[in-house]
Amino acid sequence: EVQLVESGGGLAQPGGSLTLSCTASGFTFNTYAMTWVRQAPGRGLEWVSAISGTGGSTYYADSVKGRFTISRDNSKSTLYLQMSSLRAEDTAVYYCAKDGVLYSSTLNWLDPWGQGTLVTVSS
Amino acid sequence: DIQMTQSPSSLSASVGDRVTITCRASQRIISYLNWYQQKPGKAPKLLIYAASSLQSGVPSRFSGSGSETDFTLTISSLQPEDFATYYCQQSHSFPQTFGQGTKVEIK
Repeated sequence: EVQLVESGGGLAQPGGSLTLSCTASGFTFNTYAMTWVRQAPGRGLEWVSAISGTGGSTYYADSVKGRFTISRDNSKSTLYLQMSSLRAEDTAVYYCAKDGVLYSSTLNWLDPWGQGTLVTVSS
Repeated sequence: DIQMTQSPSSLSASVGDRVTITCRASQRIISYLNWYQQKPGKAPKLLIYAASSLQSGVPSRFSGSGSETDFTLTISSLQPEDFATYYCQQSHSFPQTFGQGTKVEIK
């Protein structure tokens, strides 16, 4: 069974940093792209960042470009999101999700998703 | 960026009703359109991918159709467990964008 478990969320100060992790199991991690999606309280879904299976290609939403860094450690089947210069508007539940297509050079549908980890940015 | 607009934003329906949710893209996205269901406090779950392909394990009362800019998610006979929020997502180009969601509530 494919499982994705996020961790690392919590309270951060404006301007601060936080690193999220997503530990994967049940599939060959390095053969799938991975994506981070966030959801602010009471709001809809916002695509944040994605990374290819090898880690050689990364993609960012304009809202986080230059502040967030996505990476992966395929030897540990773990995805990361380093967040810096945090703002109040970054407050959200952050989900990691697996791409739907094996060895794809493009990003596709997302399945499955982890349970999410809450990041709160507040002084 | 491609804008995704869902309608309606919310609807009330009864068990057994046929429900239709539409999603319109601001540019042509061929069939790169996916649908997700989200229940309160839970992660989204994939229902339909590539506009009309039913994800494994998803009940056949869910179906998707459309191409280019106009897409539809249909629930043929609404069940109690279907009350949730539904999102469309385009995977045609970066950044991948979601519709604002359609909340299906009990009438």
